[in-house]
Amino acid sequence: GESVGLHLPTLSVQEGDNSIINCAYSNSASDYFIWYKQESGKGPQFIIDIRSNMDKRQGQRVTVLLNKTVKHLSLQIAATQPGDSAVYFCAELRGGNEKLTFGTGTRLTIIP
Amino acid sequence: GAGVSQSPSNKVTEKGKDVELRCDPISGHTALYWYRQSLGQGLEFLIYFQGNSAPDKSGLPSDRFSAERTGGSVSTLTIQRTQQEDSAVYLCASRYGGGSYEQYFGPGTRLTVT
Repeated sequence: GESVGLHLPTLSVQEGDNSIINCAYSNSASDYFIWYKQESGKGPQFIIDIRSNMDKRQGQRVTVLLNKTVKHLSLQIAATQPGDSAVYFCAELRGGNEKLTFGTGTRLTIIP
Repeated sequence: GAGVSQSPSNKVTEKGKDVELRCDPISGHTALYWYRQSLGQGLEFLIYFQGNSAPDKSGLPSDRFSAERTGGSVSTLTIQRTQQEDSAVYLCASRYGGGSYEQYFGPGTRLTVT
């Protein structure tokens, strides 16, 4: 069935290092993708988005890469900080559909 | 400005009771969404409102779940005859509309059915 999945459920990274969180999607009709960050006890917070007509987008310390050929999405966080510790979700949206489909999330832990 | 707010933040109820969860979206946001998040899981779509109408109710798990939105603003999610499997965090999100797809989430309501 259609799904958005993550390769790794947990990831630990030394503070100051870069981290990469991966996400696979199965629906080639997906045309919009979002990364959310969720801290404990809080709702998800938007990080960055990318449309299917792009393969890379950069924000502050974050970069999202989209490979439509293999239906793969990644979130790169540069120079990680303790505040980056959270669960990260990718989500997809198909054109004309208001329903965001979320993956199960990756827990990122920054080691001081 | 104020973000999305939800109340109550925590709700403990006995099996079989009805509960109402409230969402106050960001002012001016036309679209409103309800999601459910079970422990350690991703978000499960429940229902979407555009204005006061709900074009997509496909995620509601059973007829015990209903939602309404009035005045294009506040929304309530009602769960009747609660069951233990209804225990989860219920998240609300709103979106401005137009060309932006970014959804802004509230802090959620943690529902525990005993």
